[in-house]
Amino acid sequence: GAGVSQSPSNKVTEKGKDVELRCDPISGHTALYWYRQSLGQGLEFLIYFQGNSAPDKSGLPSDRFSAERTGGSVSTLTIQRTQQEDSAVYLCAGRLDRADTGELFFGEGSRLTVL
Amino acid sequence: KNQVEQSPQSLIILEGKNCTLQCNYTVSPFSNLRWYKQDTGRGPVSLTIMTFSENTKSNGRYTATLDADTKQSSLHITASQLSDSASYICVVRHTGNQFYFGTGTSLTVIP
Repeated sequence: GAGVSQSPSNKVTEKGKDVELRCDPISGHTALYWYRQSLGQGLEFLIYFQGNSAPDKSGLPSDRFSAERTGGSVSTLTIQRTQQEDSAVYLCAGRLDRADTGELFFGEGSRLTVL
Repeated sequence: KNQVEQSPQSLIILEGKNCTLQCNYTVSPFSNLRWYKQDTGRGPVSLTIMTFSENTKSNGRYTATLDADTKQSSLHITASQLSDSASYICVVRHTGNQFYFGTGTSLTVIP
């Protein structure tokens, strides 16, 4: 696609429910990042995928959070047993690895509200 | 500890005026620094990149500076427009695949 696509754009859920957030990066972007952006906070790193390498999961805040990337393209971030503190905007970003200048191409984010 | 700090946290200026946003970082080793613009409800978009050897770079009405010795960068916006209202985020790349984000400066341009 022409840009990074994220869905849903908005999600309201009840505490304790599971949610899945989807990211479809720009074709050819082998690196993919998930970040969380809370009000008044900087972007918080969650997880990083690079090609076929094992993902860097060092930013995941708890074992309720997981992510996968299938076929080196689409990625899904799953939050189990959601808590109110999980409410935030979840941003996905891709990066072109070859001749890499480090520019991150972001989607518009998925706004999660946990009631 | 690798950190990026931005100031001011928020800024209100009149349309047509200039402003300067600041970014201080402690990220080391340093690869490059980018300024991103994030409109409300959108994802951040890169405005400019600064590498270690660059001091000044312009992109239209945006001019970024970098002092790698003092680990400071600034973003100067000339002749501001209403569409400049956004959050401006300083992002420093570590020599690897990690990026460190400032908390951003929220700029509001009023008529």
